[in-house]
Amino acid sequence: AQSVTQLGSHVSVSEGALVLLRCNYSSSVPPYLFWYVQYPNQGLQLLLKYTSAATLVKGINGFEAEFKKSETSFHLTKPSAHMSDAAEYFCAVSPHTGGFKTIFGAGTRLFVKA
Amino acid sequence: GAGVSQSPSNKVTEKGKDVELRCDPISGHTALYWYRQRLGQGLEFLIYFQGNSAPDKSGLPSDRFSAERTGESVSTLTIQRTQQEDSAVYLCASRASPEPGVYEQYFGPGTRLTVT
Repeated sequence: AQSVTQLGSHVSVSEGALVLLRCNYSSSVPPYLFWYVQYPNQGLQLLLKYTSAATLVKGINGFEAEFKKSETSFHLTKPSAHMSDAAEYFCAVSPHTGGFKTIFGAGTRLFVKA
Repeated sequence: GAGVSQSPSNKVTEKGKDVELRCDPISGHTALYWYRQRLGQGLEFLIYFQGNSAPDKSGLPSDRFSAERTGESVSTLTIQRTQQEDSAVYLCASRASPEPGVYEQYFGPGTRLTVT
């Protein structure tokens, strides 16, 4: 069965600092991988997705993520944090075949300090 | 265009009562998902509808939970004999096709259910 682990339920960075949110997946074959963001009192929206076309994926708002098969990881990064990046971030995985259930990680809440 | 809508936005109910939550997906989206998000936790898959195929109910936590979808339109999630542990935000999402690598899920704002 597929699963997703997000390391750190809370991450705090200073404005302008590097953002690194960690995600590891468990799957017998590389699945589709996603990062979603949930701003306070808003619904989830897609930041970026990995579909096997390129290992480095660029998303909205300056975020990017790199798929590393050897590490079964899909960490999310942003070079310089903005106050507006404060939100909850979810990593998710969907299999290529056998159903289209999406499994979400527990989420990481990002705090950005002035 | 219109996104995914859910109603009600908030629902407070007494333990033991039945509740019905509604999801209106984006028009033309064939795939529809229900998730549960407990306070401080991630999204828990509940059920998935794809067109006229049999739904994937593998995430429903008990037989008190059921969901229906008429064709490719509105879906309702029903919780019977609600318990306090059912308190959560219930999220609905729709997708243009079942192919997760091609199309993204669009989420509604959720229904916050509180069971007292």
